[in-house]
Amino acid sequence: QQQVKQSPQSLIVQKGGISIINCAYENTAFDYFPWYQQFPGKGPALLIAIRPDVSEKKEGRFTISFNKSAKQFSLHIMDSQPGDSATYFCAASRGRGSTLGRLYFGRGTQLTVWP
Amino acid sequence: NAGVTQTPKFQVLKTGQSMTLQCAQDMNHNSMYWYRQDPGMGLRLIYYSASEGTTDKGEVPNGYNVSRLNKREFSLRLESAAPSQTSVYFCASRIQGYGYTFGSGTRLTVV
Repeated sequence: QQQVKQSPQSLIVQKGGISIINCAYENTAFDYFPWYQQFPGKGPALLIAIRPDVSEKKEGRFTISFNKSAKQFSLHIMDSQPGDSATYFCAASRGRGSTLGRLYFGRGTQLTVWP
Repeated sequence: NAGVTQTPKFQVLKTGQSMTLQCAQDMNHNSMYWYRQDPGMGLRLIYYSASEGTTDKGEVPNGYNVSRLNKREFSLRLESAAPSQTSVYFCASRIQGYGYTFGSGTRLTVV
């Protein structure tokens, strides 16, 4: 059973537009929700993360919106740039009170930003 | 500060051959993980080690074994490679409560 469901699988956005990627989870014990960015030929790199005690976190052009009651969270990329073209993964884990901290990943979204 | 180092970067194996993928981290992280990445399937956990001396199965452990040699090193072994194990393999490490740091991956082809 997939713990984290991510959509869409691929996304094409024009330069300057807003890219939105959505994720949903079932396990209410999850309390850490990171997003990873992966460029071709590279390993995923942590982009931004949120904990459920806030509904939004912003870092530059990247924003996570979190809806605890709906068990959904999303990544918004404002003013999308060609350099943002990459694969994005959402993930979830129990990050506190656990000795494990295993991350469950969504299947990824391939974002293409056209110039 | 190298982070997570994986070797080799590329490998071609014949069906039935064995090999060990090496992973080392220099961040004093307790937890280490092995994932495989396949198109459309995302990152699937093969094995993980919550701390030195412990290992546990993930989602897709069949055909693999692991060894947590010490706190720094976590190796993945394919005893008898199969074409279905053609994939990109990523090692990652983590401090509790924070995100993973990934290596740059090993691209394995089994023919």
